[in-house]
Amino acid sequence: KAGVTQTPRYLIKTRGQQVTLSCSPISGHRSVSWYQQTPGQGLQFLFEYFSETQRNKGNFPGRFSGRQFSNSRSEMNVSTLELGDSALYLCASSLDLGNTEAFFGQGTRLTVV
Amino acid sequence: GQSLEQPSEVTAVEGAIVQINCTYQTSGFYGLSWYQQHDGGAPTFLSYNGLDGLEETGRFSSFLSRSDSYGYLLLQELQMKDSASYFCAVRGDSNYQLIWGAGTKLIIKP
Repeated sequence: KAGVTQTPRYLIKTRGQQVTLSCSPISGHRSVSWYQQTPGQGLQFLFEYFSETQRNKGNFPGRFSGRQFSNSRSEMNVSTLELGDSALYLCASSLDLGNTEAFFGQGTRLTVV
Repeated sequence: GQSLEQPSEVTAVEGAIVQINCTYQTSGFYGLSWYQQHDGGAPTFLSYNGLDGLEETGRFSSFLSRSDSYGYLLLQELQMKDSASYFCAVRGDSNYQLIWGAGTKLIIKP
């Protein structure tokens, strides 16, 4: 069974640009969550999607958005990139909303220059 | 607000036992989970406690006391490969959102 796949693995963007990150959950999983992780920091929750609906949202500005498709694949978008957006973006999938175990992808390392 | 508190860093010796504590303050509680993350890697699930008591999985055990809003992860027979960051996480009320601690960096010395 394939794990959670995130693409791309690495990305370099210029301040002011926008970026779209992709996450393919484990087959059969319907819940996808996104996190931002900066060096030495914990996991900062961005949002969670279930059945194509955003169920939870963290304290991030509106520049951060996401969506989930009918096949449970998810994308997150960051517009008007800032230097502080440089981070590891992690996606996690769960069988259902509220599941105890989340499976993480390897993440997308975003560098904003 | 909702928060989880865990020590930022713990140091132990190879072969020893170490305990990483986690106290939580959340609106609603649907279980405490623990994750391990090696440098440069993705977090991986270690254990889950939904009810009070001890859960054992090999060298790792996790404990929960809901009345104290407290849990811990116990690692026995420490190995160098256990050097990693350990995160506790709680499923809270708001649509079962997973709330995370800031992580504990475990340093193991030979």
